[in-house]
Amino acid sequence: EPEVTQTPSHQVTQMGQEVILRCVPISNHLYFYWYRQILGQKVEFLVSFYNNEISEKSEIFDDQFSVERPDGSNFTLKIRSTKLEDSAMYFCASTRDRINEKLFFGSGTQLSVL
Amino acid sequence: KQEVTQIPAALSVPEGENLVLNCSFTDSAIYNLQWFRQDPGKGLTSLLLIQSSQREQTSGRLNASLDKSSGRSTLYIAASQPGDSATYLCAVSSGNTGKLIFGQGTTLQVKP
Repeated sequence: EPEVTQTPSHQVTQMGQEVILRCVPISNHLYFYWYRQILGQKVEFLVSFYNNEISEKSEIFDDQFSVERPDGSNFTLKIRSTKLEDSAMYFCASTRDRINEKLFFGSGTQLSVL
Repeated sequence: KQEVTQIPAALSVPEGENLVLNCSFTDSAIYNLQWFRQDPGKGLTSLLLIQSSQREQTSGRLNASLDKSSGRSTLYIAASQPGDSATYLCAVSSGNTGKLIFGQGTTLQVKP
Protein backbone atom coordinates (compact mmCIF):
# COMPACT_ATOMS: atom_id res chain seq x y z
CA GLU A 1 0.00 0.00 0.00
CA PRO A 2 1.38 3.45 -0.84
CA GLU A 3 2.60 5.45 2.12
CA VAL A 4 3.86 8.89 3.05
CA THR A 5 7.58 8.78 3.78
CA GLN A 6 9.37 11.16 6.13
CA THR A 7 13.08 11.65 6.74
CA PRO A 8 14.87 11.81 9.04
CA SER A 9 12.99 9.97 11.78
CA HIS A 10 14.94 11.88 14.42
CA GLN A 11 16.72 15.23 14.21
CA VAL A 12 18.69 16.87 16.97
CA THR A 13 19.77 20.47 16.48
CA GLN A 14 21.10 23.43 18.40
CA MET A 15 18.88 26.42 19.08
CA GLY A 16 19.20 28.97 16.27
CA GLN A 17 20.11 26.41 13.62
CA GLU A 18 18.11 25.79 10.46
CA VAL A 19 16.47 22.42 9.91
CA ILE A 20 14.76 20.92 6.89
CA LEU A 21 12.28 18.13 7.36
CA ARG A 22 11.58 16.05 4.29
CA CYS A 23 8.50 14.23 3.09
CA VAL A 24 7.55 12.21 0.04
CA PRO A 25 3.73 12.24 -0.23
CA ILE A 26 1.76 9.54 -2.01
CA SER A 27 2.32 10.04 -5.72
CA ASN A 28 -1.21 10.82 -6.98
CA HIS A 29 -2.14 13.03 -4.03
CA LEU A 30 -2.78 16.72 -4.54
CA TYR A 31 -3.11 18.21 -1.06
CA PHE A 32 -0.23 18.31 1.37
CA TYR A 33 0.00 19.23 5.04
CA TRP A 34 2.33 19.59 7.96
CA TYR A 35 1.16 18.99 11.52
CA ARG A 36 3.08 18.82 14.75
CA GLN A 37 2.55 17.23 18.12
CA ILE A 38 4.35 18.46 21.22
CA LEU A 39 4.74 15.67 23.76
CA GLY A 40 1.51 15.15 25.66
CA GLN A 41 -0.43 17.70 23.61
CA LYS A 42 -2.89 17.65 20.73
CA VAL A 43 -1.87 17.25 17.11
CA GLU A 44 -1.77 20.80 15.70
CA PHE A 45 -2.18 21.99 12.13
CA LEU A 46 0.71 24.01 10.72
CA VAL A 47 0.13 24.51 7.00
CA SER A 48 -1.73 23.21 3.96
CA PHE A 49 -0.32 23.29 0.43
CA TYR A 50 -2.08 22.87 -2.90
CA ASN A 51 -1.19 23.72 -6.48
CA ASN A 52 2.29 24.84 -5.45
CA GLU A 53 1.16 27.38 -2.94
CA ILE A 54 0.12 27.64 0.68
CA SER A 55 -3.66 27.44 1.01
CA GLU A 56 -3.85 27.96 4.76
CA LYS A 57 -1.45 28.38 7.65
CA SER A 58 -1.86 28.52 11.39
CA GLU A 59 -0.65 31.14 13.85
CA ILE A 60 2.24 28.81 14.68
CA PHE A 61 3.49 29.00 11.09
CA ASP A 62 5.29 32.32 11.38
CA ASP A 63 8.11 33.79 9.28
CA GLN A 64 10.55 31.21 10.64
CA PHE A 65 8.69 28.44 8.82
CA SER A 66 8.51 27.78 5.10
CA VAL A 67 7.40 24.93 2.85
CA GLU A 68 8.47 23.88 -0.60
CA ARG A 69 7.65 21.27 -3.17
CA PRO A 70 10.87 21.58 -5.14
CA ASP A 71 10.61 18.73 -7.64
CA GLY A 72 7.06 17.41 -7.82
CA SER A 73 7.68 14.56 -5.40
CA ASN A 74 9.32 15.97 -2.26
CA PHE A 75 7.59 18.28 0.20
CA THR A 76 9.78 20.03 2.75
CA LEU A 77 9.30 22.03 5.91
CA LYS A 78 12.09 24.44 6.81
CA ILE A 79 12.52 26.06 10.17
CA ARG A 80 14.96 28.92 9.71
CA SER A 81 16.13 29.52 13.28
CA THR A 82 14.96 26.85 15.67
CA LYS A 83 13.76 27.60 19.19
CA LEU A 84 13.48 25.28 22.16
CA GLU A 85 9.70 25.33 21.81
CA ASP A 86 9.95 23.92 18.28
CA SER A 87 10.81 20.55 19.80
CA ALA A 88 8.00 18.25 18.70
CA MET A 89 7.04 15.40 16.41
CA TYR A 90 6.39 16.79 12.95
CA PHE A 91 4.01 14.90 10.68
CA CYS A 92 3.58 15.25 6.95
CA ALA A 93 0.23 14.23 5.45
CA SER A 94 -1.38 14.05 2.04
CA THR A 95 -4.67 13.25 0.38
CA ARG A 96 -6.13 13.06 -3.11
CA ASP A 97 -9.39 14.72 -2.08
CA ARG A 98 -9.45 17.05 0.90
CA ILE A 99 -13.19 16.58 1.55
CA ASN A 100 -14.09 13.01 0.65
CA GLU A 101 -10.96 10.96 1.24
CA LYS A 102 -8.87 10.01 4.22
CA LEU A 103 -5.73 11.89 5.17
CA PHE A 104 -2.58 9.76 5.07
CA PHE A 105 0.15 10.56 7.58
CA GLY A 106 3.84 9.81 7.58
CA SER A 107 5.48 8.28 10.63
CA GLY A 108 6.91 11.61 11.69
CA THR A 109 10.21 13.36 12.41
CA GLN A 110 11.03 13.82 16.08
CA LEU A 111 12.77 17.19 16.30
CA SER A 112 14.76 17.96 19.44
CA VAL A 113 16.13 21.49 19.84
CA LEU A 114 18.85 21.81 22.48
CA LYS B 1 -13.17 28.70 16.81
CA GLN B 2 -13.61 24.95 16.46
CA GLU B 3 -12.74 22.92 19.55
CA VAL B 4 -12.69 19.11 19.71
CA THR B 5 -12.95 17.21 22.97
CA GLN B 6 -12.63 13.49 23.60
CA ILE B 7 -13.89 11.56 26.58
CA PRO B 8 -12.57 9.56 28.33
CA ALA B 9 -8.87 10.44 28.22
CA ALA B 10 -7.96 6.84 29.01
CA LEU B 11 -9.78 3.55 29.09
CA SER B 12 -8.75 0.07 30.21
CA VAL B 13 -10.95 -2.90 29.39
CA PRO B 14 -10.65 -6.69 29.36
CA GLU B 15 -10.38 -8.42 26.02
CA GLY B 16 -13.69 -9.12 24.34
CA GLU B 17 -15.58 -6.10 25.63
CA ASN B 18 -17.49 -3.78 23.35
CA LEU B 19 -16.60 -0.16 23.96
CA VAL B 20 -17.51 3.37 22.95
CA LEU B 21 -15.22 6.35 22.56
CA ASN B 22 -16.74 9.81 22.48
CA CYS B 23 -15.88 12.95 20.57
CA SER B 24 -17.58 16.33 20.65
CA PHE B 25 -17.01 19.46 18.60
CA THR B 26 -18.24 23.01 19.08
CA ASP B 27 -18.99 24.13 15.52
CA SER B 28 -21.38 21.93 13.55
CA ALA B 29 -20.29 23.40 10.18
CA ILE B 30 -17.90 20.60 9.27
CA TYR B 31 -16.97 18.93 5.99
CA ASN B 32 -16.05 15.61 7.53
CA LEU B 33 -14.92 13.85 10.67
CA GLN B 34 -12.16 11.28 10.84
CA TRP B 35 -11.14 8.80 13.50
CA PHE B 36 -7.44 7.99 13.66
CA ARG B 37 -5.36 5.44 15.49
CA GLN B 38 -1.93 6.39 16.84
CA ASP B 39 0.53 3.84 18.16
CA PRO B 40 3.31 5.07 20.50
CA GLY B 41 5.98 6.99 18.61
CA LYS B 42 4.25 6.37 15.30
CA GLY B 43 2.18 8.26 12.78
CA LEU B 44 -1.57 8.45 12.54
CA THR B 45 -3.67 5.95 10.61
CA SER B 46 -7.10 7.05 9.45
CA LEU B 47 -9.64 4.41 10.44
CA LEU B 48 -12.91 5.93 9.28
CA LEU B 49 -14.03 9.10 7.53
CA ILE B 50 -17.61 10.29 7.86
CA GLN B 51 -18.71 12.98 5.45
CA SER B 52 -20.96 15.72 6.82
CA SER B 53 -23.99 14.29 4.99
CA GLN B 54 -23.49 10.81 6.44
CA ARG B 55 -24.63 9.38 9.76
CA GLU B 56 -22.20 6.50 10.17
CA GLN B 57 -19.41 4.45 8.67
CA THR B 58 -18.32 0.90 9.37
CA SER B 59 -15.07 -0.95 8.87
CA GLY B 60 -14.78 -4.44 10.30
CA ARG B 61 -15.26 -4.25 14.07
CA LEU B 62 -15.33 -0.45 14.01
CA ASN B 63 -18.41 1.69 13.65
CA ALA B 64 -18.38 5.47 13.81
CA SER B 65 -21.47 7.64 14.04
CA LEU B 66 -21.91 11.35 13.47
CA ASP B 67 -24.59 13.66 14.83
CA LYS B 68 -23.67 17.02 13.36
CA SER B 69 -26.49 18.97 14.96
CA SER B 70 -25.43 18.00 18.46
CA GLY B 71 -21.71 18.14 17.63
CA ARG B 72 -21.00 14.54 18.57
CA SER B 73 -19.38 11.43 17.19
CA THR B 74 -18.84 8.02 18.71
CA LEU B 75 -16.45 5.25 17.77
CA TYR B 76 -17.75 1.82 18.66
CA ILE B 77 -15.24 -1.04 18.86
CA ALA B 78 -16.77 -4.50 19.00
CA ALA B 79 -15.13 -7.48 20.66
CA SER B 80 -11.98 -5.60 21.62
CA GLN B 81 -8.58 -7.29 21.27
CA PRO B 82 -5.17 -6.53 22.82
CA GLY B 83 -4.05 -5.38 19.37
CA ASP B 84 -6.60 -2.57 19.58
CA SER B 85 -4.51 -0.94 22.32
CA ALA B 86 -3.54 2.50 21.02
CA THR B 87 -4.55 6.14 21.20
CA TYR B 88 -7.65 7.00 19.19
CA LEU B 89 -7.96 10.53 17.86
CA CYS B 90 -11.00 12.30 16.51
CA ALA B 91 -10.52 15.17 14.04
CA VAL B 92 -12.92 17.45 12.18
CA SER B 93 -12.44 19.33 8.95
CA SER B 94 -14.10 22.73 9.08
CA GLY B 95 -12.51 24.67 6.24
CA ASN B 96 -12.22 23.98 2.53
CA THR B 97 -8.44 23.49 2.73
CA GLY B 98 -8.86 20.15 4.46
CA LYS B 99 -7.29 21.38 7.68
CA LEU B 100 -8.09 19.04 10.59
CA ILE B 101 -8.70 20.07 14.18
CA PHE B 102 -7.83 17.23 16.55
CA GLY B 103 -9.07 16.16 19.94
CA GLN B 104 -6.60 15.14 22.60
CA GLY B 105 -7.30 11.46 22.12
CA THR B 106 -8.44 8.48 24.15
CA THR B 107 -5.72 6.03 25.14
CA LEU B 108 -7.13 2.53 25.10
CA GLN B 109 -5.62 -0.47 26.79
CA VAL B 110 -7.18 -3.88 26.14
CA LYS B 111 -5.97 -6.47 28.62
CA PRO B 112 -5.70 -10.15 27.60
